[in-house]
Amino acid sequence: DQQVKQNSPSLSVQEGRISILNCDYTNSMFDYFLWYKKYPAEGPTFLISISSIKDKNEDGRFTVFLNKSAKHLSLHIVPSQPGDSAVYFCAASAGGSNYKLTFGKGTLLTVNP
Amino acid sequence: EAGVTQFPSHSVIEKGQTVTLRCDPISGHDNLYWYRRVMGKEIKFLLHFVKESKQDESGMPNNRFLAERTGGTYSTLKVQPAELEDSGVYFCASSPTVYNEQFFGPGTRLTVL
Repeated sequence: DQQVKQNSPSLSVQEGRISILNCDYTNSMFDYFLWYKKYPAEGPTFLISISSIKDKNEDGRFTVFLNKSAKHLSLHIVPSQPGDSAVYFCAASAGGSNYKLTFGKGTLLTVNP
Repeated sequence: EAGVTQFPSHSVIEKGQTVTLRCDPISGHDNLYWYRRVMGKEIKFLLHFVKESKQDESGMPNNRFLAERTGGTYSTLKVQPAELEDSGVYFCASSPTVYNEQFFGPGTRLTVL
């Protein structure tokens, strides 16, 4: 029973264009969402997060949008760069005293020069 | 500041043997998490330490897995006896409090033959 779903295993975009990565969740108790980026043979690296009290959070080229009614979030990367090529994981937590993360399966982003 | 380190980076063992994985969190991080990614699947939570105490071990697959964090510093995860389905990448993560993002180590790739 997957509570966090990334339905696109891969995405390919041209350098300079926008990359949009999507994530859906089913657990209404989730109140904190994160995106992690992972290069081969490395651990996931934190990218950006958003609390359920917000609908948008921006950090440089990265923006995360949250639509609570649709239980959907997305990560926008503008402009995309070849160095952004990696696997992107969506993760969520339900807060409280334990912030264990529930991950999606990841989306492989390839940015072509 | 040193990041989360894990040892070994790779381990190949035979079914029935014992393996111990080690994680050194970022200095001063009270929270330590273990996750596992089985090939083709999502990263899954195993357990969470706050200092030396197990806060949540709901993700531990069975009693063949034993995690310890003596003194609240480094942690070990022992698998005894190992089974084929234990193969995967084991990640450790740490955070100063539960309200911060988790910093991941590079992982230990475990292969059980």
